[in-house]
Amino acid sequence: DQQVKQNSPSLSVQEGRISILNCDYTNSMFDYFLWYKKYPAEGPTFLISISSIKDKNEDGRFTVFLNKSAKHLSLHIVPSQPGDSAVYFCAASAGGGTSYGKLTFGQGTILTVHP
Amino acid sequence: DAGVTQSPTHLIKTRGQQVTLRCSPKSGHDTVSWYQQALGQGPQFIFQYYEEEERQRGNFPDRFSGHQFPNYSSELNVNALLLGDSALYLCASSQYTVNEKLFFGSGTQLSVL
Repeated sequence: DQQVKQNSPSLSVQEGRISILNCDYTNSMFDYFLWYKKYPAEGPTFLISISSIKDKNEDGRFTVFLNKSAKHLSLHIVPSQPGDSAVYFCAASAGGGTSYGKLTFGQGTILTVHP
Repeated sequence: DAGVTQSPTHLIKTRGQQVTLRCSPKSGHDTVSWYQQALGQGPQFIFQYYEEEERQRGNFPDRFSGHQFPNYSSELNVNALLLGDSALYLCASSQYTVNEKLFFGSGTQLSVL
């Protein structure tokens, strides 16, 4: 039972254009969502998060949008840079507070940004 | 300021053996969570330790056990290894009472032959 799904295994984008990574979830108890980036031979690195009480959160070139009714979130990267090429994971947690250590991850999307 | 450190980086074992993986959390963090990442998949939550006790557990058999020491470092033990246990094992640290992102180590790549 995959509670967090990233249906696109890969995405290829030209440098300077927008990258949009999508994520769907099924568990209505999820109330906190995160995006992580992972390079080969490294652990995942936190990018940006959003609480279920918001529908948008921005941090520099990164913006996360949350559509609770559709149980869908997306990560926008503008403008995309070659250094953004990595695997991107969507993750979610439920219950708030001390449950934040237990994340449910999607399968990941490989982003390739071409110069 | 050292981040999350894990050892060893790579490990090869045979079926039926036992393995111990180690993790030191980021300075200032008191909680350690362990994840298993199979090839082509996202990380899966194994369990979380705080104050030397297991606080949350994912859907993993009892062959997977852990420990947390007074200095907050942690061990993951896997008994009776199966071929399917081959994966990248990730340790993440955080502060238990703070709503904060997890910091991950680089992982231990376990191969079971």
